[in-house]
Amino acid sequence: DTAVSQTPKYLVTQMGNDKSIKCEQNLGHDTMYWYKQDSKKFLKIMFSYNNKELIINETVPNRFSPKSPDKAHLNLHINSLELGDSAVYFCASSQSGGLLREQFFGPGTRLTVL
Amino acid sequence: AQSVTQPDIHITVSEGASLELRCNYSYGATPYLFWYVQSPGQGLQLLLKYFSGDTLVQGIKGFEAEFKRSQSSFNLRKPSVHWSDAAEYFCAVGAGEYGNKLVFGAGTILRVKS
Repeated sequence: DTAVSQTPKYLVTQMGNDKSIKCEQNLGHDTMYWYKQDSKKFLKIMFSYNNKELIINETVPNRFSPKSPDKAHLNLHINSLELGDSAVYFCASSQSGGLLREQFFGPGTRLTVL
Repeated sequence: AQSVTQPDIHITVSEGASLELRCNYSYGATPYLFWYVQSPGQGLQLLLKYFSGDTLVQGIKGFEAEFKRSQSSFNLRKPSVHWSDAAEYFCAVGAGEYGNKLVFGAGTILRVKS
């Protein structure tokens, strides 16, 4: 009965590799988000999709590409991984309505780039 | 640009003691304000939020927060802390052109001693 799930939970990889993180929500929400939490625990939004349409695209390297195959899924693909990409990535979802609607967060994916 | 400051990186309180976590925000208009809690290895959970109206808002787990416009503050309080409250707490403000993204503070780690 997990609400927002992410896979994998841990990801260790070498610089230069390409990797994906998957996110799924079973709450029936139509808006999904990706956040990055750096080593200092600073949490910052990266992307947001509403009904599979990109609505927030912060200043993020274009090596990061979100993909939303349907309203329940928002995957994050990262090309040419760099050391600075090491972080915890959180997926979240909400109903439409902006911040009037609570965002529900997944457990996070800890990415370590060696 | 919108920003959130949480002045205390760590706070330690005794079990049963009262708690206040500080949050100051920078935002031009009436802000949407939030407090989230993150337990180790978990995603973020919404504790409470302020949009308008009564400046003292009640949340889950016995937490409350008070919005003070004159001080640009939204401090989180709990009258009696339990050991299970040990976690990291994040204050956030709604931002963006449509007020549809969260800008987080750097977090405050709460330790509870018995």
